Amino acid sequence: DVKVTQSSRYLVKRTGEKVFLECVQDMDHENMFWYRQDPGLGLRLIYFSYDVKMKEKGDIPEGYSVSREKKERFSLILESASTNQTSMYLCASRADQRTSINEQFFGPGTRLTVL
Amino acid sequence: AQKVTQAQTEISVVEKEDVTLDCVYETRDTTYYLFWYKQPPSGELVFLIRRNSFDEQNEISGRYSWNFQKSTSSFNFTITASQVVDSAVYFCALSEPNFGNEKLTFGTGTRLTIIP
Repeated sequence: DVKVTQSSRYLVKRTGEKVFLECVQDMDHENMFWYRQDPGLGLRLIYFSYDVKMKEKGDIPEGYSVSREKKERFSLILESASTNQTSMYLCASRADQRTSINEQFFGPGTRLTVL
Repeated sequence: AQKVTQAQTEISVVEKEDVTLDCVYETRDTTYYLFWYKQPPSGELVFLIRRNSFDEQNEISGRYSWNFQKSTSSFNFTITASQVVDSAVYFCALSEPNFGNEKLTFGTGTRLTIIP
């Protein structure tokens, strides 16, 4: 079974803090993704990575950065957290499309509250 | 640009009733994939089905069935004889063809509540 884990289920931070959200997958997947989920907006892609040290902006990258130093780990960084970044953050991974296995597998999510 | 519309924000049905969740998509690509995911109260999205644009056969898996119609750009999901465990948020998603770098565009989700 594919397993995607996220470092925290719930996180409370203060405005201006630097926040790290960690995601680890154990299936040697090439692709990893960070989404945020907000009521009425569904899931929106923040950043994704198709290989180690590679990253691509998604639909809403502003205010975020990412790091992928190892294949199994994909970190989302909020350089200076703001209240409008209060949200549920979901990480996902996927095998390279060339294997034709292209569904994404999701972690349990991190509910971040910025005060 | 891709777009996925799930017009039903919330649906409530009594247990054992059938329920259909609608999904309408927009894309200019001729090759694409459609997905359904389930998000139970625990929060983790669970993959249900993938369908490619060249396969319009309907799919049935137990109490679940999917109706893909390219003519109306729809990929609807039906649960037969619903159960309380089916209560969740369901997302429809569309994938653009970008070899190796596919991204998913999600709908806004439909919250399904099954009343015992």
